Amino acid sequence: ETGVTQSPTHLIKTRGQQVTLRCSSQSGHNTVSWYQQALGQGPQFIFQYYREEENGRGNFPPRFSGLQFPNYSSELNVNALELDDSALYLCASSSGRAQPQHFGDGTRLSIL
Amino acid sequence: KQEVTQIPAALSVPEGENLVLNCSFTDSAIYNLQWFRQDPGKGLTSLLLIQSSQREQTSGRLNASLDKSSGRSTLYIAASQPGDSATYLCAVVDNNDMRFGAGTRLTVKP
Repeated sequence: ETGVTQSPTHLIKTRGQQVTLRCSSQSGHNTVSWYQQALGQGPQFIFQYYREEENGRGNFPPRFSGLQFPNYSSELNVNALELDDSALYLCASSSGRAQPQHFGDGTRLSIL
Repeated sequence: KQEVTQIPAALSVPEGENLVLNCSFTDSAIYNLQWFRQDPGKGLTSLLLIQSSQREQTSGRLNASLDKSSGRSTLYIAASQPGDSATYLCAVVDNNDMRFGAGTRLTVKP
């Protein structure tokens, strides 16, 4: 059973650019959630996808968007990058909202 | 709006001590509460999940309790080891999302 994998592990962008982060869910999981974790803080919920539909969203602007594919892998897209977007972006998969979430190691995004 | 607080923010103990980490939340209408461990620069590793109908869960040297009515959970670590050094995060799942505390950074000294 493969776990949650995220790519890339590190990324450096400049203000105003766009970025796409990728996540492969754990086998058998149909729900994926994305989180932003700033240094020294707990993760903040961005949004969740269930069977390719957005199933909940946190307090993030529309320039944060996502997709879930038929194989339940997922993308997080961020447009018009700002300095405050620098963070660790975590993806988690589960077999349902109330089920244990399994996290990947994250993508470290730095905005210059 | 659900708020999750963890106390203390940091804790340093000698090897072998038993210790308790605390987590409190403001809205008791939760589906479950989950404890995670995070090593520096890494993702989160799930330790224990307590459903809203449960009072506690145990795994090895770890025991987590849940008191929904008072909005509290504790993570008890028995016979701590240097390998337990990490940040421990609690998170609650309610009708809206999964909300995390800021974590407790634990250091276990040999």
